[in-house]
Amino acid sequence: EAGVAQSPRYKIIEKRQSVAFWCNPISGHATLYWYQQILGQGPKLLIQFQNNGVVDDSQLPKDRFSAERLKGVDSTLKIQPAKLEDSAVYLCASSLNRVSIAFFGQGTRLTVV
Amino acid sequence: QKEVEQNSGPLSVPEGAIASLNCTYSDRGSQSFFWYRQYSGKSPELIMSIYSNGDKEDGRFTAQLNKASQYVSLLIRDSQPSDSATYLCAVYTGNQFYFGTGTSLTVIP
Repeated sequence: EAGVAQSPRYKIIEKRQSVAFWCNPISGHATLYWYQQILGQGPKLLIQFQNNGVVDDSQLPKDRFSAERLKGVDSTLKIQPAKLEDSAVYLCASSLNRVSIAFFGQGTRLTVV
Repeated sequence: QKEVEQNSGPLSVPEGAIASLNCTYSDRGSQSFFWYRQYSGKSPELIMSIYSNGDKEDGRFTAQLNKASQYVSLLIRDSQPSDSATYLCAVYTGNQFYFGTGTSLTVIP
């Protein structure tokens, strides 16, 4: 069974530029999460989707971050404009439903310079 | 108060010893508890889940849950150098997953 796919693996951008990340969850998984993991910290939930609806985006900096999951499968996370403090690994995870175990993708390491 | 708290370590144990990792959580209504292992530069991978009070064993790993004390632990028996990683405690509150900051474990050959 294929795991959670993310791209790109690495991205370096200048501050104030925009960037987008893509995630393809495990087939059949209704729940999709985007996490931000800053070096030395645990993952912090940015947004949680159930199919194509948002369940929780309380910790998403909505002035610069946006995410969508239009057809209830793939998802994109966008940052515009990026700040230096956005440098982190962005992890996508999926689960069968909201109470099931979450499986993580390899992550996208973003460096903002 | 953070939702999930762990000692950041680092924790060092000799090869073959028992490594003990601890986690406390704040939400008494939490339903599910997980331990993830994260190697440097890699994504977290699930190693144990536990849902009810008591012990759950899987190979060299034992998860222990005490809901009254709001405490969950992970024991690694016969520790191996390949166990060297950061261990993340995750708690599902019924609303979302919360992760601790992780405990760094080093197993010394």
